[in-house]
Amino acid sequence: ETAVFQTPNYHVTQVGNEVSFNCKQTLGHDTMYWYKQDSKKLLKIMFSYNNKQLIVNETVPRRFSPQSSDKAHLNLRIKSVEPEDSAVYLCASSWGRDTQYFGPGTRLLVL
Amino acid sequence: GDSVTQTEGQVALSEEDFLTIHCNYSASGYPTLFWYVQYPGEGPQLLFRASRDKEKGSSRGFEATYDKGTTSFHLRKASVQESDSAVYYCALSHGGSNYKLTFGKGTLLTVTP
Repeated sequence: ETAVFQTPNYHVTQVGNEVSFNCKQTLGHDTMYWYKQDSKKLLKIMFSYNNKQLIVNETVPRRFSPQSSDKAHLNLRIKSVEPEDSAVYLCASSWGRDTQYFGPGTRLLVL
Repeated sequence: GDSVTQTEGQVALSEEDFLTIHCNYSASGYPTLFWYVQYPGEGPQLLFRASRDKEKGSSRGFEATYDKGTTSFHLRKASVQESDSAVYYCALSHGGSNYKLTFGKGTLLTVTP
């Protein structure tokens, strides 16, 4: 049963455009995450928010910016996308440092 | 820093074969260890976790035992089915102020009937 929702499922765009991805969790968790999964299935944390506060900010290009409106929502904006941004972006949530639950992912293709 | 090393690439088995996917970790103290499974078109989902030395995690016929002595958490299943075909990830969480999951590179299991 899905409790972490991501939109869109799939997005195709051109180099230089801006894109935004949305994530919502209905689990009542206080921590949310964005991961990037590349074509080789490697999973890497990008950002993490706990109670709307940024707590993990890995080394990602500055064109990536997370946006948290409340504990249940964490969006990701990419200004001026590059070809290497093509990937699956996975949102997850947890209660504190407990088990993380993932959404189905947003697949981004940059042409 | 923390790291996870697991069987790389693809494992190809026939139904009813025995499965082992190796996972070794590098971290101080007692990290929590996880196995996640990812089916095509879905996000990773938790198989099980373990937090203490000698603790055994299990789910759906899969199992792994936390071994601090060998820093391992190998995934095993006695008899795989075609429906077990997926990517399997070993991961660790180190607690403290660190909210990150550190994942291994993933192992693609393909089971043929």
